Amino acid sequence: DTAVSQTPKYLVTQMGNDKSIKCEQNLGHDTMYWYKQDSKKFLKIMFSYNNKELIINETVPNRFSPKSPDKAHLNLHINSLELGDSAVYFCASSRPGTSYEQYFGPGTRLTVT
Amino acid sequence: SQKIEQNSEALNIQEGKTATLTCNYTNYSPAYLQWYRQDPGRGPVFLLLIRENEKEKRKERLKVTFDTTLKQSLFHITASQPADSATYLCALGWGGGADGLTFGKGTHLIIQP
Repeated sequence: DTAVSQTPKYLVTQMGNDKSIKCEQNLGHDTMYWYKQDSKKFLKIMFSYNNKELIINETVPNRFSPKSPDKAHLNLHINSLELGDSAVYFCASSRPGTSYEQYFGPGTRLTVT
Repeated sequence: SQKIEQNSEALNIQEGKTATLTCNYTNYSPAYLQWYRQDPGRGPVFLLLIRENEKEKRKERLKVTFDTTLKQSLFHITASQPADSATYLCALGWGGGADGLTFGKGTHLIIQP
């Protein structure tokens, strides 16, 4: 009965590889997000997406791309991984138009070696 | 430049006292402000939301104030308990669309028995 789930929880990979992180929410929400939390614990929005629009934070490299097969899923694909991509990535969801509160997944710790 | 600042990276409070956390922002005009709690190795958990036209919100032992003139929010935990020890994040939001939140760096609160 997990609300927002992410897989994998840990991901260790080498520079230059391509990887994906999956996110699923069973809350019936319209909007999903990806956030990056760096080593200084600063949480930054990367993408927000609903069935109408994708909003991209302009500072996110185009090596990162969200893919949404349906309303309940928003996966994050990362190409040509770099050392600086090491961080914890959080997926979240919300239902805009109500209280705007966001529900976060448990996070995926990505380590690029 | 736009900034969100939360008081001190760490705050030590004795059990039973009131903990007060501060969130200040510059060059933003948020429609609402939220507070989240984050425990180590977990995703943020929503606590309270306060809108720009509200001065104060309460939920059990939690109280949030919002002063759009001072550009400041105060978050209070009364009768603090060791279980309240965590990192508390403030976040600014806009509108009702697919907007992500802009987070502060957080305050690590430690409640000492």
